[in-house]
Amino acid sequence: DIQMTQSPSTLSASVGDRVTITCRASQSISTWLAWYQQKPGKAPKLLIYKASTLESRVPSSLSGSGSGTEFTLTISSLQPDDFATYYCQQYNSYPYTFGQGTKLEIK
Amino acid sequence: EVQVVESGGGLVQPGGSLRLSCAASGFTFSNYWMYWVRQAPGKGLVWVSRINGDGSSTKYADSVKGRFTISRDNAKNTLYLQMNSLRAEDTAVYFCARDRGSALGELLHWGQGTLVTVSS
Repeated sequence: DIQMTQSPSTLSASVGDRVTITCRASQSISTWLAWYQQKPGKAPKLLIYKASTLESRVPSSLSGSGSGTEFTLTISSLQPDDFATYYCQQYNSYPYTFGQGTKLEIK
Repeated sequence: EVQVVESGGGLVQPGGSLRLSCAASGFTFSNYWMYWVRQAPGKGLVWVSRINGDGSSTKYADSVKGRFTISRDNAKNTLYLQMNSLRAEDTAVYFCARDRGSALGELLHWGQGTLVTVSS
């Protein structure tokens, strides 16, 4: 199985900050990577697919990049609504796997 | 509006069985691959299973292979997850999800989840 490792596990930041979350795959997954945002008690929300394509109605302050084994999710200017937990997911090969999550907290 | 609504969760004893359902609406159900993802309390997301549009192809996580069966009834617009030989570690909120339409595993539409608790 492909292991997905996110860093950091927790990130403290302030409104207006630029933040980056990293996701590493245990083997190459080309660009078959998605990013999700989840808030407590809610279902995940798809933000980015194919490593860098923004899903409809997702703010342009979010961006994704990477290929192969290393990927990043960047939020250029944090807004209050961005504080949540973020997950990466590979869909290069079965079983699909998620990273362990990065909790973005208000500093 | 696309909607997927899970049901069937509850308390079950170790070794027991449970069948989850996911009622879909707002799209042509048979055209889309469907998925189950779970989340143990306070933990991260875990991909569980996938089924193609006509039900002829299924995939499973290693942790549930041989115990869980995904299926669908396209006439009823409903997805199922039959869970047998349940273990304490299967305790989780189970989400049903539909992909973007690409059959690639990008999970766009999610239900609210149904809680399964395995405990004596």
